[in-house]
Amino acid sequence: DAGVTQSPTHLIKTRGQQVTLRCSPKSGHDTVSWYQQALGQGPQFIFQYYEEEERQRGNFPDRFSGHQFPNYSSELNVNALLLGDSALYLCASSLGTGRNEQYFGPGTRLTVT
Amino acid sequence: GQQVMQIPQYQHVQEGEDFTTYCNSSTTLSNIQWYKQRPGGHPVFLIQLVKSGEVKKQKRLTFQFGEAKKNSSLHITATQTTDVGTYFCASAVYSSASKIIFGSGTRLSIRP
Repeated sequence: DAGVTQSPTHLIKTRGQQVTLRCSPKSGHDTVSWYQQALGQGPQFIFQYYEEEERQRGNFPDRFSGHQFPNYSSELNVNALLLGDSALYLCASSLGTGRNEQYFGPGTRLTVT
Repeated sequence: GQQVMQIPQYQHVQEGEDFTTYCNSSTTLSNIQWYKQRPGGHPVFLIQLVKSGEVKKQKRLTFQFGEAKKNSSLHITATQTTDVGTYFCASAVYSSASKIIFGSGTRLSIRP
């Protein structure tokens, strides 16, 4: 039973560039949430996708956008990268609403220089 | 907006000692989830509590949800080196089950 997978593992980008991160949910899960985790902090909710639509969004600017595909996989796009976007980006999958347990992927470590 | 405060930020204990982390909110929580993140790893789901006053146990771990559903605790009895990591509480925002708020975490380190 495949767990949550994310790609790439690490990424280095320059300020102003754009980045796309990818996530495949755990088999049988239909909901994908994205989080940003700065060093020493708890994960911060970016948004959640269900049935290919953004169901809920956290306090992140429009530079952060996403997509969910019919196979439930998801992408996170960040435009006009800032130094402060450097963080671990975590994808979590679940079944149904956010009140169900979430399975996290290993994350993508993004460094913006 | 809804916030979840977690204390302490760090705890360093001797192996075999007990450990407790607390999660508090000024507003009523719909649920509380606990996660563990090992150094360099990702959060791993431990448990979810939804009922007022609920207590659940997993071997040496005891989880409690307050009567008013505004606080929760995780207690580890007789810590072992495998317990090292950061423990996070998380809750779904009451107005939207889809938005999850995480606490800032308690980092547990252990002296062998």
